[in-house]
Parts: sequence; structure tokens; C-alpha cells
Amino acid sequence: DADVTQTPRNRITKTGKRIMLECSQTKGHDRMYWYRQDPGLGLRLIYYSFDVKDINKGEISDGYSVSRQAQAKFSLSLESAIPNQTALYFCATSDPGGSSYNEQFFGPGTRLTVL
Amino acid sequence: TQLLEQSPQFLSIQEGENLTVYCNSSSVFSSLQWYRQEPGEGPVLLVTVVTGGEVKKLKRLTFQFGDARKDSSLHITAAQPGDTGLYLCAGEGRYGNKLVFGAGTILRVKS
Repeated sequence: DADVTQTPRNRITKTGKRIMLECSQTKGHDRMYWYRQDPGLGLRLIYYSFDVKDINKGEISDGYSVSRQAQAKFSLSLESAIPNQTALYFCATSDPGGSSYNEQFFGPGTRLTVL
Repeated sequence: TQLLEQSPQFLSIQEGENLTVYCNSSSVFSSLQWYRQEPGEGPVLLVTVVTGGEVKKLKRLTFQFGDARKDSSLHITAAQPGDTGLYLCAGEGRYGNKLVFGAGTILRVKS
């Protein structure tokens, strides 16, 4: 079974709709991240969380919100979706203790299309 | 803001050729990671380099971290079609809170 899972894998929605993307992990990592990927722009950080009570904005948080329901669950919401939020969204986890250097483990991604 | 410039953006080569992908910045990073991503999947970590001048090898892939820890390169020897994918470099800043990703290099190896 995959260590980091994302649901849904694909979603088509309309402008103005509220949608939620979910991420679950079985790696036991405290740190979780949400990224979006656009062609030619690489991965850009939306939000990150170092534990259940810690939520931080990334470089492109406007229009998004997150909830860390448990150590294993981190969800991303688009309050009112707009077409330029059409992208591939990835959840990731990390556990930079010991000799690790914040290496990240990614889910399979959610392809979101906003019409 | 720390930025990572990755080049080239796209590379299409024949099987058996060699290639190098570059990742450059004006900022110093405490570590530099390389990921590979295939269509429909998330990025997967290939290697982490942490010491200036460090060289790591992974089969036909050679990774190097610049002496000043501002740049890195990925060299593939005798590329194979299975090497096709998107290669991403990512730098970890001083405080280790988050990664900065390059825009990626799309590699296509034709048989």
C-alpha cells in the first residue's frame, strides 16, 4: 500500500465552488506539505504543517486553506475555486530527524481542473 | 527569497548519449536534493548532497554539489529510455523548514 495517499486523483469543478483535497499518510511523519505544480514552474509550496497544532503559509497560500485533522491527515481547501487554480496538487511528508535532510515523500497527486 | 534555476528545461536525446542537468542559485543551501517524476506520479527522491564538492553516484547517474553549495549538477551516462521523466532539484535553506524547487528538466530518451 502507498505510504502517502491523495483523494480524489482527478477532479473537475466549476468556478466559485468550494472543494477539498485530502491527504493521508502511514509513514508516521510529523511534517506535511501541500504543493501545486504547473508546467515550467516546478513545485510551489502552498501550506505546511510541522504538527497538528502548527500550520504555516507557503509562498502561494492566497485562495487556499488547510486543516491538519490528525498527524496522519492534512487537507487542502479551495474556498471559491477559480480557473487559474487549475493545476496538479501534491501532498508530501518529511521527517528530518537524525541524519535525514528534510527529504520529502510525495503522494500521487490530484489533477484539478476549474472550469 | 531563494531561487533555483534549472537548465535545460527540455532535453531530447538518443539512447546511449550522455547528458548533464544543471541547478544554479545565488543562495547557499544546507542540502540539495534531486527528484525524478514520472507521468501520473509524485516526485521520488534520488539523492541528497550536503557537503560542498560532494559527488554521489547512483548507477549511471552522478550528482555533484558545488564547492560553495550554491549549485549542483546531475550527469547521466549512456542514457536509456527508462531514464525518461521530469528531473527536479530542490534546495533546503538555512533553517531546514522547507524546500525550494527548480522548475524541472523534462528528459526524453529515444530508443
